[in-house]
Amino acid sequence: QKEVEQDPGPLSVPEGAIVSLNCTYSNSAFQYFMWYRQYSRKGPELLMYTYSSGNKEDGRFTAQVDKSSKYISLFIRDSQPSDSATYLCAIRETSYDKVIFGPGTSLSVIP
Amino acid sequence: NAGVTQTPKFQVLKTGQSMTLQCAQDMNHNSMYWYRQDPGMGLRLIYYSASEGTTDKGEVPNGYNVSRLNKREFSLRLESAAPSQTSVYFCASKDYEQYFGPGTRLTVT
Repeated sequence: QKEVEQDPGPLSVPEGAIVSLNCTYSNSAFQYFMWYRQYSRKGPELLMYTYSSGNKEDGRFTAQVDKSSKYISLFIRDSQPSDSATYLCAIRETSYDKVIFGPGTSLSVIP
Repeated sequence: NAGVTQTPKFQVLKTGQSMTLQCAQDMNHNSMYWYRQDPGMGLRLIYYSASEGTTDKGEVPNGYNVSRLNKREFSLRLESAAPSQTSVYFCASKDYEQYFGPGTRLTVT
């Protein structure tokens, strides 16, 4: 079993839709959870970061972590064409430097 | 403040050729990383350096070597390139979280 699993998509939604992106992980030692956004032909950029169960909101973006289910989600409200990108979840153990990335979900928001 | 820079942006090599990918960061971060990104595989860690003078293998180190030249610079060397090393290579540096460079697109024919 891979340490982080993520549906690769592609996911296509109309502008204004609510988008839900999800990852599951296998090791309960992971404590830090991140979402990165990667535009085509660019490097990933950090979007959201959390280290606790529950929700964290930043504008139109909400990151949700359920440690009991080993499940993390990213919700995008009022999606815009500029949100079209690949979204990668990433996880890290508390005491180690290594970050493990999911394979990414490709999202297209259609005007 | 340029963040993380990588050179070159693009490179085409013949099988067996060698090259070095350069990475530099101006954020005074201790940790630096090299990843490769392939379709459907996500980002895979090749090597990382937790601090100046130290390097460690990641998930896919075979065929690569690295040098942490100083705190700013972390280079990745392919001694004898193979077609399986065709990929996009990203360098990253980290304080609390990782900041990525723009990538190097490498094709080995």
